[in-house]
Amino acid sequence: GENVEQHPSTLSVQEGDSAVIKCTYSDSASNYFPWYKQELGKGPQLIIDIRSNVGEKKDQRIAVTLNKTAKHFSLHITETQPEDSAVYFCAASSWGSARQLTFGSGTQLTVLP
Amino acid sequence: ETGVTQTPRHLVMGMTNKKSLKCEQHLGHNAMYWYKQSAKKPLELMFVYNFKEQTENNSVPSRFSPECPNSSHLFLHLHTLQPEDSALYLCASSPNGGTGATNEKLFFGSGTQLSVL
Repeated sequence: GENVEQHPSTLSVQEGDSAVIKCTYSDSASNYFPWYKQELGKGPQLIIDIRSNVGEKKDQRIAVTLNKTAKHFSLHITETQPEDSAVYFCAASSWGSARQLTFGSGTQLTVLP
Repeated sequence: ETGVTQTPRHLVMGMTNKKSLKCEQHLGHNAMYWYKQSAKKPLELMFVYNFKEQTENNSVPSRFSPECPNSSHLFLHLHTLQPEDSALYLCASSPNGGTGATNEKLFFGSGTQLSVL
């Protein structure tokens, strides 16, 4: 089955700096890669996703890049703000099916004022 | 507010108790899920229901018993749990959890924090 590795497990950045979280996956059949953000006391919420036919996708201060050859994808957050502090999870699935999603172990991002 | 409501938010139970977790979604979705979230571990999929039919059971111990009376409601019945079952239990829904679904987005509730003493 699929295995998703996520690094780092914790990340602290100064407000205004950029943050990068990286994930690798094992199943070359995976073609859908979402990122979820989980704030304290809440469930995870989808913030951005990418399909394998696209190398990069941006949404305001958030971007995701995908390297299918190397089987890794990354989340980039620019101009970080305190409200970006949360746990971020990457995931991968084949055929884009939610029930086949395999999650990474999460990254605790702390944005220091 | 994601449209998925879970109750209770917190639950403490002894190993001999029987309790139930409830989930309700107001999004008109056809698929509902139970996930287990333990500290510093990936989310673990437990059960999937699609159009009220169970389509996935990831080798979950029988002390966890799901029930899905309709596409909007999902329960997780708990009995004779172990301390290692203490975790955050998340309910989620998606428009269509069937094999033909693509780019399925999960909508999570806020979870039930379960402590087994």
